[in-house]
Amino acid sequence: GESVGLHLPTLSVQEGDNSIINCAYSNSASDYFIWYKQESGKGPQFIIDIRSNMDKRQGQRVTVLLNKTVKHLSLQIAATQPGDSAVYFCAESYSGNTPLVFGKGTRLSVIA
Amino acid sequence: DARVTQTPRHKVTEMGQEVTMRCQPILGHNTVFWYRQTMMQGLELLAYFRNRAPLDDSGMPKDRFSAEMPDATLATLKIQPSEPRDSAVYFCASGGDRTTTNEKLFFGSGTQLSVL
Repeated sequence: GESVGLHLPTLSVQEGDNSIINCAYSNSASDYFIWYKQESGKGPQFIIDIRSNMDKRQGQRVTVLLNKTVKHLSLQIAATQPGDSAVYFCAESYSGNTPLVFGKGTRLSVIA
Repeated sequence: DARVTQTPRHKVTEMGQEVTMRCQPILGHNTVFWYRQTMMQGLELLAYFRNRAPLDDSGMPKDRFSAEMPDATLATLKIQPSEPRDSAVYFCASGGDRTTTNEKLFFGSGTQLSVL
């Protein structure tokens, strides 16, 4: 069945550096991908999404890259700040009408 | 500021008791999802609704879990009887009024359930 996994469960970065969080997906039919940020004691918050007809999308300090050839998704955070410390989830869906399937998450720790 | 509201935020109960969790989706959203989050399994889909109709509840243990939407402003998730293995954070999420469900979801703050 479909599955979404992460290469790295934890990531520590220095404040001001760029962060890259990776995600692999197994279903080549997936056509929608999304990143969420979850801070301690809170629900997941939407960061950015991308459809399969694109390979890059930028937001404020964040960029999502999609490589359909190798079924890989990444989230880049520029000039990482202490407030970026959280668990980051990728999720996918497909067939135009299925719920999001979430990966296990990557914990990002920002070192001041 | 539109948001998904979940109650209670925390619930501690004893094994065998009934637990009811409530969710008020964002006004105008027509899809509602229940997810369960544990350290071991991450975020798992339990059930979801569109226009108040249940579309899929295959993620729920049918013998003890039930999910309903009595009206467009309220979704409930019940566990009866509760078991210690049900201890988790339960999230409700709602999505927009598109024809598909694969749009971004907005999550509530969750109900942290502890079954002793």
